[in-house]
Formats: sequence, structure tokens, C-alpha cells
Amino acid sequence: NAGVTQTPKFQVLKTGQSMTLQCAQDMNHNSMYWYRQDPGMGLRLIYYSASEGTTDKGEVPNGYNVSRLNKREFSLRLESAAPSQTSVYFCASSALGTGSYGYTFGSGTRLTVV
Amino acid sequence: QKEVEQNSGPLSVPEGAIASLNCTYSDRGSQSFFWYRQYSGKSPELIMSIYSNGDKEDGRFTAQLNKASQYVSLLIRDSQPSDSATYLCAVGGGGNKLTFGTGTQLKVEL
Repeated sequence: NAGVTQTPKFQVLKTGQSMTLQCAQDMNHNSMYWYRQDPGMGLRLIYYSASEGTTDKGEVPNGYNVSRLNKREFSLRLESAAPSQTSVYFCASSALGTGSYGYTFGSGTRLTVV
Repeated sequence: QKEVEQNSGPLSVPEGAIASLNCTYSDRGSQSFFWYRQYSGKSPELIMSIYSNGDKEDGRFTAQLNKASQYVSLLIRDSQPSDSATYLCAVGGGGNKLTFGTGTQLKVEL
């Protein structure tokens, strides 16, 4: 099993450019999440999808959009990248929407906006 | 605002010693508690989960939960250099999300 697969692993964008981060899981999990991790700030939730067909804002949603394409796939889009969005982005999935079983994380996308 | 607090460290322990990592949380309704290990440049990896008061042991790892004090800890016995990493505490409230602490950096010295 691949678990949670994120693409790309690295990306450099210019300010104002757009891009989509892709995430797919093969564990038949219901819930999927996008986090960003910055030094000293920990993991902060951007958006999540409790189940197929639903999405909700997390702690830091501004500047991002998401799409739950199907049960397996959950993408994160930056419409107009800003230097403040330089970060490491992690996708995660969970078997049940309650979070009671913890998350499985993807390997991350290291994004630099110049 | 639900908060999860951890000492950022670094916590330095000699090889073979017990490492004790601590976490406090603000939401009294929290129901699930997790410890993740994150090596530098890697993604977090779930190592322990605990749901009820008391201790839970798994190999060299013991998670301890005290809901009255809103306190979770992780003990690592016989610490090894390979245990050197950042340890993230995560707390779930029964909803759809976990709240993470900022992590404690552990260094196991030879």
C-alpha cells in the first residue's frame, strides 16, 4: 500500500502564480486534511474534508481552495501565491471523521514562493 | 481556541536513559490523544494513541493520560540515538480534527 501520496514533493513559485497540490490515499479513509507546517508554528489546519462531498475551513484557509474530487483524492489550490505561503504542506487522511484513530500523513510538499 | 502546549526543547538525554515528554491541552472535552514522531525533513509518524486515563505501553514507549489535569506524557525507555526527533502531541475532541502542539525536540546523546 502506498498510503497517502502527495505531488509534487518540491515546488518553487513566483509571487502571483497559481498551482495545485495533489493528494491521494488508498486506505479507503473517509476524512482528508491539508496542513501547513512552519518553524515555531507547528501544524496548522488549512482545510479538511470529513467525507466525500464535504469540505470545511480550518485555522488558516485564506489564500487557499480545496476540492474533494472523490473519496481518494483531495487537492489544495493556491490561486495567487504569496511569499507568506512558503511552507511545508502535508496532506493527511483518517479512517473515521472523528479523528479518533489518528492521521496518516503524506510525505509533504516543500513550497517556496519568491 | 483549543490549545495544545509543549515545551519546544531541545530535551537532551544520554543513551539508555528515560526521556519524558509532556503536553497540556485546554479543551476539557478532548477524547483522543496521540503522539507523533517527526524526523527532520520527514512527515509525522503516529507512534502512540491513548483514550482513557492511565498508562498505555507499547515496547519502549509509554503514554500517560490524566484528564483531570489535562496532561498527556510520553516516556521513552532505553533511549537510542535513533529516537532523536521532534515529538508532536495531538488532541482530538470527538469531531473531525486534531489539534497539534508545536512539538518537543529530543536529542539522545551517545
